[in-house]
Amino acid sequence: GESVGLHLPTLSVQEGDNSIINCAYSNSASDYFIWYKQESGKGPQFIIDIRSNMDKRQGQRVTVLLNKTVKHLSLQIAATQPGDSAVYFCAEKRPGGYQKVTFGTGTKLQVIP
Amino acid sequence: ETGVTQSPTHLIKTRGQQVTLRCSSQSGHNTVSWYQQALGQGPQFIFQYYREEENGRGNFPPRFSGLQFPNYSSELNVNALELDDSALYLCASTTGGDEKLFFGSGTQLSVL
Repeated sequence: GESVGLHLPTLSVQEGDNSIINCAYSNSASDYFIWYKQESGKGPQFIIDIRSNMDKRQGQRVTVLLNKTVKHLSLQIAATQPGDSAVYFCAEKRPGGYQKVTFGTGTKLQVIP
Repeated sequence: ETGVTQSPTHLIKTRGQQVTLRCSSQSGHNTVSWYQQALGQGPQFIFQYYREEENGRGNFPPRFSGLQFPNYSSELNVNALELDDSALYLCASTTGGDEKLFFGSGTQLSVL
């Protein structure tokens, strides 16, 4: 079946520590992966993406790692801040002519001051 | 801000009614997609419009329909509302050649 799943529904992290959010995907044909952040009352906000021909990509304070062998994706947030508190979704897209993006259930990140 | 605006922000309907949700996409974006997000779940793809034509659809019944206008704004119509249609409806826009989606803040629909 088609699914993008997350290992932990809730993650609590001390302010200043690094956060790691994990995600498993099931479709080997997926070639594009995205992490979104969703704050309460808002739509998902793009954080970072990675294509299947890469295994690591870095942004500002965020790093995405892709392990195609075990179909695993992770988002690392360095020096987690209170403003990082949100629900994080991994999403995947298969090759094709339209933009169907399949989202996982989400992980809630709680930053403890 | 993403430049994608949705209206209304909240809506209450009763079972069996019809609803129209609206989306104004970011300037320059010719592709609009709609997603349904149930409470505690990730968004689920409903359909996508490109140049006023539906060019992709998720696992939603025909009572979910849409339109895209020449200015690339879009509508989502849902007929014969059911209780399970209660959800946050999200609109996302992008250019045809870009896979990065820009989401609006959504319309919260409650069906009683």
